Amino acid sequence: DAGVTQSPTHLIKTRGQQVTLRCSPKSGHDTVSWYQQALGQGPQFIFQYYEEEERQRGNFPDRFSGHQFPNYSSELNVNALLLGDSALYLCASSSSGNEKLFFGSGTQLSVL
Amino acid sequence: GQNIDQPTEMTATEGAIVQINCTYQTSGFNGLFWYQQHAGEAPTFLSYNVLDGLEEKGRFSSFLSRSKGYSYLLLKELQMKDSASYLCAVRDHPAGNMLTFGGGTRLMVKP
Repeated sequence: DAGVTQSPTHLIKTRGQQVTLRCSPKSGHDTVSWYQQALGQGPQFIFQYYEEEERQRGNFPDRFSGHQFPNYSSELNVNALLLGDSALYLCASSSSGNEKLFFGSGTQLSVL
Repeated sequence: GQNIDQPTEMTATEGAIVQINCTYQTSGFNGLFWYQQHAGEAPTFLSYNVLDGLEEKGRFSSFLSRSKGYSYLLLKELQMKDSASYLCAVRDHPAGNMLTFGGGTRLMVKP
């Protein structure tokens, strides 16, 4: 049983570019959340998707957008990249009614 | 606003016991989580407390006092592999699974 998988594992972009990160939830999970983790800090909530809709959103600008597909997988898109967007992007999945989150290993994004 | 505080770093000796504290001030409360994160890896679930008291799971225990906005993670019989960051997180709303994380405590276990 595969856990939460994310791709790519590492990515290098330049300022102003756009990026798409992908996540496949753990089997049986229907809810996907995205977190941004800067070096040496705790993860910060970006948004959560359930039934293909954004259910909750953290304090992130509109440059950050997402999507959930019918198979529950999800994408995170970031437009007009800034140097400060360099971070580890974590995807977490859960099943509705269950509080336990399972995290993927993340995508390390470097913006130059 | 949301505020979760935990020590930045701690050092302990192999075989000893260490307690990592977490205090929180959040607009709501619907459970407190502890996660372990080794460098370069995914956070992994350790414990969940929603009622006051102690939850024990093997070498790890977690305590919660909702009236004090306080929790701790207790690690017994420390092993070298316990060197990692320990993240305290609060879920402040019953709907959804949004977690607010503290900055994490980096624990170094020495021989």
